[in-house]
Amino acid sequence: DAGVTQSPTHLIKTRGQHVTLRCSPISGHKSVSWYQQVLGQGPQFIFQYYEKEERGRGNFPDRFSARQFPNYSSELNVNALLLGDSALYLCASNGWSEKLFFGSGTQLSVL
Amino acid sequence: DQQVKQNSPSLSVQEGRISILNCDYTNSMFDYFLWYKKYPAEGPTFLISISSIKDKNEDGRFTVFLNKSAKHLSLHIVPSQPGDSAVYFCAARTGSQGNLIFGKGTKLSVKP
Repeated sequence: DAGVTQSPTHLIKTRGQHVTLRCSPISGHKSVSWYQQVLGQGPQFIFQYYEKEERGRGNFPDRFSARQFPNYSSELNVNALLLGDSALYLCASNGWSEKLFFGSGTQLSVL
Repeated sequence: DQQVKQNSPSLSVQEGRISILNCDYTNSMFDYFLWYKKYPAEGPTFLISISSIKDKNEDGRFTVFLNKSAKHLSLHIVPSQPGDSAVYFCAARTGSQGNLIFGKGTKLSVKP
């Protein structure tokens, strides 16, 4: 069975640009979460979606937005990129258990 | 203000010996704790978890201990193997579907 898949794996953008990151959850999982991991830190919660509805939002500016599609895949959008947005963006899905299953992430570099 | 703290950035252990990774938390509302392992260029992989109603959970070489009065948990790996070398994250959540709060991680190196 395929795990959580994310695309692209790496991305280089310049300040002020917009970026869209994509995630496909494990088959059967209806909940998708997004986390940001800055070098030297643990992952930090950005959003959680369940059945296309936003269930939670972390302490991130409105430049960050997300959505979930009918097939439970998800997109994370970041507008007006800043240098500080450079990080590993992780997508995770879960079914009925408390365990989150993570993808390999998208490494975003903002120059 | 960090709610989940891993105060040791790194730990080095000899192969075959015990590895003990520690984690402290401040929020008494946390009711579920998880440990994740992360290799470079990969996402975190679930390792083991424990509910706040238990004080110990064991899975093969991995055991997690929870001391609620001290707001402390630890992960024991016995015996340690070189393949265990990775960054270990402690995480906590409130409620069964709440978001995870992660510590900064501890880099474990197991030397042959």
